[in-house]
Amino acid sequence: DTAVSQTPKYLVTQMGNDKSIKCEQNLGHDTMYWYKQDSKKFLKIMFSYNNKELIINETVPNRFSPKSPDKAHLNLHINSLELGDSAVYFCASSPGTGYTFGSGTRLTVV
Amino acid sequence: QQQVKQSPQSLIVQKGGISIINCAYENTAFDYFPWYQQFPGKGPALLIAIRPDVSEKKEGRFTISFNKSAKQFSLHIMDSQPGDSATYFCAAEGADGLTFGKGTHLIIQP
Repeated sequence: DTAVSQTPKYLVTQMGNDKSIKCEQNLGHDTMYWYKQDSKKFLKIMFSYNNKELIINETVPNRFSPKSPDKAHLNLHINSLELGDSAVYFCASSPGTGYTFGSGTRLTVV
Repeated sequence: QQQVKQSPQSLIVQKGGISIINCAYENTAFDYFPWYQQFPGKGPALLIAIRPDVSEKKEGRFTISFNKSAKQFSLHIMDSQPGDSATYFCAAEGADGLTFGKGTHLIIQP
């Protein structure tokens, strides 16, 4: 029983395409997050969402948009993909403190 | 502006030795300080965490030391083992979620 699951694990796509990454958590947590890990392994928050409030990191391009169909899901949609979007994207959830991360989606834009 | 500074960037320790990773933070509103362990191809996993009203927390071979006045905290891994080889991230949590340090790549030599 995976607590936070992401699909796909790997995603290779061409510049200009639109893609989505799905995330589901079965922990009953109220808040979910998306983090980006760059080639130097730096983890940076992109969004947090708790069913009522979406907090967006101001440095995230508006080509990135989170979509939450329900409390257990927070998907990440990316429009007009660019080479610089290549990274590992992690979904996480939290009941308040202490995050549980998914295993990541490695996105490669060619 | 980097709110959590972590050092060293990489660390090599002999098996059985003590691994020490240091972090410093700037925002006094942070109220939760976790350490995460990440293996290649996996998401970060919570290792141990501390709140600022405690100066030390120990769980098995892992100890966090916390100095509130200096705004510094560190992770000590006693009797380091090859299986501890991973990337370690310190983090600090506040109203905007988790802010991570840049990570320490730890190698334990047999």
